[in-house]
Amino acid sequence: RKEVEQDPGPFNVPEGATVAFNCTYSNSASQSFFWYRQDCRKEPKLLMSVYSSGNEDGRFTAQLNRASQYISLLIRDSKLSDSATYLCVVLETSYDKVIFGPGTSLSVIP
Amino acid sequence: GAVVSQHPSWVICKSGTSVKIECRSLDFQATTMFWYRQFPKQSLMLMATSNEGSKATYEQGVEKDKFLINHASLTLSTLTVTSAHPEDSSFYICSARGKRSSGRAPDTQYFGPGTRLTVL
Repeated sequence: RKEVEQDPGPFNVPEGATVAFNCTYSNSASQSFFWYRQDCRKEPKLLMSVYSSGNEDGRFTAQLNRASQYISLLIRDSKLSDSATYLCVVLETSYDKVIFGPGTSLSVIP
Repeated sequence: GAVVSQHPSWVICKSGTSVKIECRSLDFQATTMFWYRQFPKQSLMLMATSNEGSKATYEQGVEKDKFLINHASLTLSTLTVTSAHPEDSSFYICSARGKRSSGRAPDTQYFGPGTRLTVL
């Protein structure tokens, strides 16, 4: 089993739609969790950290379920500029190791 | 603005030559720098972790004699791809994690813009 798994893509949604991405991780000792977005041929950029209590940043909501080892990202009112690959990232503090999920591609269509 | 820079941004070289890529943290001290490789349509794969002043820790399957990492200061790490071959063509990305005193959240990685290497 892969250490971090994500929904296979691509997701093609119309503007204004709500889209949800899921991510699961295998190591229960993982400490910190993040969502990054990566545009084509560019470096990943931090979108948001994910906290146990859940957190929201504008149209983006991230949630963490430690018991299920599951992370989610919800994007409301999708914009064309949201088109990118979304990477689920897990930090294993004990090994100082960062593990990237394979990414889920999102295309928002006019 | 960018907090981590990489140089060069792209490089084309002949098979058998060595290529050095620099990664600099511009406005903070990075205790740890990471080197990743990303092939087309794939995610980032961690190659190695380097701490300032000590030897890098390589991930399984990454040849340390082929990918030489030097982390000479808290703001600079270099990756040298020795005797590059076409299969080494990839997008190489570094990231840096800051010291607590630097004002940068230590759990957050700041990525460089990447270096696209093409070996002919």
